[in-house]
Amino acid sequence: DGGITQSPKYLFRKEGQNVTLSCEQNLNHDAMYWYRQDPGQGLRLIYYSQIVNDFQKGDIAEGYSVSREKKESFPLTVTSAQKNPTAFYLCATGPFSYNEQFFGPGTRLTVL
Amino acid sequence: AQKVTQAQTEISVVEKEDVTLDCVYETRDTTYYLFWYKQPPSGELVFLIRRNSFDEQNEISGRYSWNFQKSTSSFNFTITASQVVDSAVYFCALSDTPGGYQKVTFGIGTKLQVIP
Repeated sequence: DGGITQSPKYLFRKEGQNVTLSCEQNLNHDAMYWYRQDPGQGLRLIYYSQIVNDFQKGDIAEGYSVSREKKESFPLTVTSAQKNPTAFYLCATGPFSYNEQFFGPGTRLTVL
Repeated sequence: AQKVTQAQTEISVVEKEDVTLDCVYETRDTTYYLFWYKQPPSGELVFLIRRNSFDEQNEISGRYSWNFQKSTSSFNFTITASQVVDSAVYFCALSDTPGGYQKVTFGIGTKLQVIP
């Protein structure tokens, strides 16, 4: 199947723990993005990557980290430094041009 | 700076009614792209349409239509003869970044409820 997969679908974390959200794509898109969605708000950009081994901070990068070791994969780590991590996290990809972004199914993270 | 305003946070309509979702944007660039996405209860955003700033033609796709007016910086979305399956959150978005990386600004979304 072609597309974007995110895992897990639901994730529970205790305070003080780091957790990693997975995002994998087989669309051969160069760019990948991580967004955070909170109730009543739009999507906010956390990190993005245009090519392998390169990534840039978005609007709300504090408390998050990423890596881009492979074109297909762009995992997001939510660290203990993120004060309010409970949210819905969406991964997106896009070709290296002015085109729409394609979204994965999302991961809902809850801090207990 | 770019900005997208969706003033309607929630709309309820009865099935078969027509409904228009408003989107107003701000950008300093002359070249930009506008998008609409649908987010059903499952959570995944589904791409609906892309429109570039040089194409002001309205577009129709089945029961969906979009009205792009540069003079009022608006990109409104109309659903004709709404159905229960149209119930979702709809996001309008704007991209005006030159080069390969897309900086996309999303509105806060309009939650549409279609009542049977």
